[in-house]
Amino acid sequence: DVKVTQSSRYLVKRTGEKVFLECVQDMDHENMFWYRQDPGLGLRLIYFSYDVKMKEKGDIPEGYSVSREKKERFSLILESASTNQTSMYLCASSPPTGPGNTIYFGEGSWLTVV
Amino acid sequence: GQNIDQPTEMTATEGAIVQINCTYQTSGFNGLFWYQQHAGEAPTFLSYNVLDGLEEKGRFSSFLSRSKGYSYLLLKELQMKDSASYLCAVPIYNQGGKLIFGQGTELSVKP
Repeated sequence: DVKVTQSSRYLVKRTGEKVFLECVQDMDHENMFWYRQDPGLGLRLIYFSYDVKMKEKGDIPEGYSVSREKKERFSLILESASTNQTSMYLCASSPPTGPGNTIYFGEGSWLTVV
Repeated sequence: GQNIDQPTEMTATEGAIVQINCTYQTSGFNGLFWYQQHAGEAPTFLSYNVLDGLEEKGRFSSFLSRSKGYSYLLLKELQMKDSASYLCAVPIYNQGGKLIFGQGTELSVKP
């Protein structure tokens, strides 16, 4: 069965803290993604990676960075958390581009920055 | 540019049929996905359309018209457990597996 695992479901962090959100997939997928989801705004792409050590900015990369040292692991880093980064973060992975190749999501990480 | 529009919310009655519409504008086309997302959970894949027409999968069907930039998800014999958000998504052309999502349609099924 397809599995994308996000290490933390619920986190509360203070403004200015460095935050790491970890994601691991067991499907040997090349592509991995980080989205955030906010009411009324839907899913927005923060960063994605199509190979180890490769990364590309999505639509809202400001305030975030990512790391992909191993194929199965994609980390999202908030260098200095701010209250406007309170959100639900979804990690996802997919095989290389191809018709109907869907992406698979993790369970989500609810981050509250106070 | 890329843009996807869906209604924000819909309400329907248990046992009824509901149609959730999605219109999109993309440069290039690599198909269209529908996902279901229950509150507090991850989105899960429902369907993928790349050719015009209706694809049926049990109680759920998805329709695509590429010339009109239009798709719909049809849910029949609604059940309470179908209350969820339904997300329409299209791959960004020639940009790997990236998807852009609509805002989602929140469906409430009433007894």
